[in-house]
Amino acid sequence: SAVISQKPSRDICQRGTSLTIQCQVDSQVTMMFWYRQQPGQSLTLIATANQGSEATYESGFVIDKFPISRPNLTFSTLTVSNMSPEDSSIYLCSVGAGSTDTQYFGPGTRLTVL
Amino acid sequence: KQEVTQIPAALSVPEGENLVLNCSFTDSAIYNLQWFRQDPGKGLTSLLLIQSSQREQTSGRLNASLDKSSGRSTLYIAASQPGDSATYLCAVEYSSASKIIFGSGTRLSIRP
Repeated sequence: SAVISQKPSRDICQRGTSLTIQCQVDSQVTMMFWYRQQPGQSLTLIATANQGSEATYESGFVIDKFPISRPNLTFSTLTVSNMSPEDSSIYLCSVGAGSTDTQYFGPGTRLTVL
Repeated sequence: KQEVTQIPAALSVPEGENLVLNCSFTDSAIYNLQWFRQDPGKGLTSLLLIQSSQREQTSGRLNASLDKSSGRSTLYIAASQPGDSATYLCAVEYSSASKIIFGSGTRLSIRP
């Protein structure tokens, strides 16, 4: 199994500012995933973060808006840039368990943009 | 387009009943399918994972089945309890370490 922590757990931000969300895993993993869950919606993948290479973004998400860092095999950050109220969501990071393929999720970061 | 659909969107049943949650997917060439539980304001907890070669998985009062030919999975919860109240999400992975496509979830409420 994998234990994942995220910081901050929640934040309230002003329009036009940026927030960086941290994700820490208790074991080394090759791939980390960032998801967004808008109010009342299911999860949508934002990007896949591989250590040592550029993140791969899904359709509708761009690096300028959601820059991602992956400095090592246990850590990643997602920045939500130039925020607007439409960015109010829960942001979750996840990792796969490798041999078992089970996906583990962090507790999420609840972001409210005013 | 690969899509995952869950029916019903919400379900309320009295405690003690057995119940079934449904999940359907448009592309049957899946790698695996997972059922997750999400409690309000919290992350996701993996309940059961079914590999493409498997037909079902069981954990305690939970049983998940997979029928790739019809593009369907069910999550059966036996003897439901108020603590089972949560949103249940079905998610499909189409190749190893690829992105996971989530259904919209079923919000389950168990009445004491």
